[in-house]
Amino acid sequence: AAGVIQSPRHLIKEKRETATLKCYPIPRHDTVYWYQQGPGQDPQFLISFYEKMQSDKGSIPDRFSAQQFSDYHSELNMSSLELGDSALYFCASSGTGTRVPDTQYFGPGTRLTVL
Amino acid sequence: QKEVEQDPGPLSVPEGAIVSLNCTYSNSAFQYFMWYRQYSRKGPELLMYTYSSGNKEDGRFTAQVDKSSKYISLFIRDSQPSDSATYLCAMKLTGGTSYGKLTFGQGTILTVHP
Repeated sequence: AAGVIQSPRHLIKEKRETATLKCYPIPRHDTVYWYQQGPGQDPQFLISFYEKMQSDKGSIPDRFSAQQFSDYHSELNMSSLELGDSALYFCASSGTGTRVPDTQYFGPGTRLTVL
Repeated sequence: QKEVEQDPGPLSVPEGAIVSLNCTYSNSAFQYFMWYRQYSRKGPELLMYTYSSGNKEDGRFTAQVDKSSKYISLFIRDSQPSDSATYLCAMKLTGGTSYGKLTFGQGTILTVHP
């Protein structure tokens, strides 16, 4: 079965640079979530989109922005990167037609390292 | 204080043992409860999903929810070395809609040794 696709899988950036993370949800899923997981920590919710509109917002810094496009893929844009932004960034998707409706299925993550 | 508390362990058990993982939560508005398994450097994988008090069984896994005590558990029977992973409990406020952030526990690191 198709899963959530994230790209790139690994990203190395310098401080103050920008980064763009991409997420392709499971086909027919209409909702995308972004989470940040620091080393040894639990995933922290950043932001979510439902039918291309922002549906919920968590602890996302103002330096970050995100959007969901007409094909339902989503991009997380991160500017003025800081050392503390180094983390695993997960995208999850949910929607109808899944084994358990409204449940979030996670991608493999993008590991961002800021030097 | 975190909304969801989970003992991070680590927990080390012999193969074949019964494993008990637990989470407590403070927000009584949580309605949906999930257990995810996360292997090192991988995304969380959904194991169990419940929305009512009581038990739910799936193969070697049993999820238990006690809303009155704000306490959930995951039991793993006949544990295998391949069960070695971090187990995250997660909870959601809303249900029946397509959105609703998950609030996670810290995760328990489990090692099953042969």
